[in-house]
Amino acid sequence: SQQGEEDPQALSIQEGENATMNCSYKTSINNLQWYRQNSGRGLVHLILIRSNEREKHSGRLRVTLDTSKKSSSLLITASRAADTASYFCATANTGNQFYFGTGTSLTVIP
Amino acid sequence: EPEVTQTPSHQVTQMGQEVILRCVPISNHLYFYWYRQILGQKVEFLVSFYNNEISEKSEIFDDQFSVERPDGSNFTLKIRSTKLEDSAMYFCASSAKGGYGYTFGSGTRLTVV
Repeated sequence: SQQGEEDPQALSIQEGENATMNCSYKTSINNLQWYRQNSGRGLVHLILIRSNEREKHSGRLRVTLDTSKKSSSLLITASRAADTASYFCATANTGNQFYFGTGTSLTVIP
Repeated sequence: EPEVTQTPSHQVTQMGQEVILRCVPISNHLYFYWYRQILGQKVEFLVSFYNNEISEKSEIFDDQFSVERPDGSNFTLKIRSTKLEDSAMYFCASSAKGGYGYTFGSGTRLTVV
């Protein structure tokens, strides 16, 4: 299975701290995306990183990709209570489907 | 910003009944998808649709499921005879290019009783 697996499964931090979530996958990919999901709600696309990219930034988000280790990390800097959500990585190969991981549940304590 | 719209947001149906979940993808997108998420579990791929036909489908997408783009704007998922285990959040997504830049809808929560 190509499915990504996030680590840790749950993370609890204080507001203002940085949050780091990791994703590992098994096969070669075209790109990797991170999504956010508030409880019981839809998936919101955060950032896409292509297989030939190593790092990407978007606002307070920083994503890295290490294809040799088949891993990616998502860093949220200066976290806010509103960042509380589940975060998923999704990998895409040459096909049209994404494989989602089980997610990291992030709680930011005000 | 363009959105993928799904209706209804919540549907309750009796076991054995047929349900149709509706989606309006982003207008200039060419690829359409359905995913589902059983409560507390990971998001799972069901089917992708391009050029008016299914391009990929998962093992979950058996003969009880079908998809249709009836009028060039809507994209529907039909479950012919619902089972209790079909209860899940169903997400529609679209993209301009296969495998890139998905936009997801906010989902339809299907509850089969």
